[in-house]
Amino acid sequence: NAGVTQTPKFQVLKTGQSMTLQCAQDMNHEYMSWYRQDPGMGLRLIHYSVGAGITDQGEVPNGYNVSRSTTEDFPLRLLSAAPSQTSVYFCASRRQGRTDTQYFGPGTRLTVL
Amino acid sequence: AQSVTQPDIHITVSEGASLELRCNYSYGATPYLFWYVQSPGQGLQLLLKYFSGDTLVQGIKGFEAEFKRSQSSFNLRKPSVHWSDAAEYFCAVGQAGTASKLTFGTGTRLQVTL
Repeated sequence: NAGVTQTPKFQVLKTGQSMTLQCAQDMNHEYMSWYRQDPGMGLRLIHYSVGAGITDQGEVPNGYNVSRSTTEDFPLRLLSAAPSQTSVYFCASRRQGRTDTQYFGPGTRLTVL
Repeated sequence: AQSVTQPDIHITVSEGASLELRCNYSYGATPYLFWYVQSPGQGLQLLLKYFSGDTLVQGIKGFEAEFKRSQSSFNLRKPSVHWSDAAEYFCAVGQAGTASKLTFGTGTRLQVTL
């Protein structure tokens, strides 16, 4: 199994540009989540999904859109990038059991100029 | 709302010395607690987790943590630190009693001197 994969690893955008961060998992996990990591703030939940077709907002959802058309994929969209969205983004997945472990991808480092 | 506090931003220990990283949480019910480690430029790896039962939890790489409800703490320990343990460590609590929506602490960066 590849686990949780994220592309790209690095990305530089200009303010106002749009892009999609890709996340895929091959473990047939029902739950998937997006977090952002900023210095001195730990990780904060952006959006999450409990299954295909079902998404919900986390702690910091503004400026981000998600959809979940398949079990495997959970893309994160930035419609109009802002410098405040400069961060490292992590995707995670887990099974639906209440005590199952959450697995993280390697991250995408995004810089918005 | 739940929260996690890691009071130590940066800790330096000598190789072979013991280690304790502090974590305090705020949560109304029985928490689901986690410790993750992040090496530079890498994703997060689960060290250990607590859901219920024995309050002393064993994890990977020789780490353990003890859940103390009376102190709202879940401190991470290792009896003898190796240079490869240098990394950033995050404590997290599962929201609403789940392991999915995690609230993280701000992390403790561990430096190991030889």
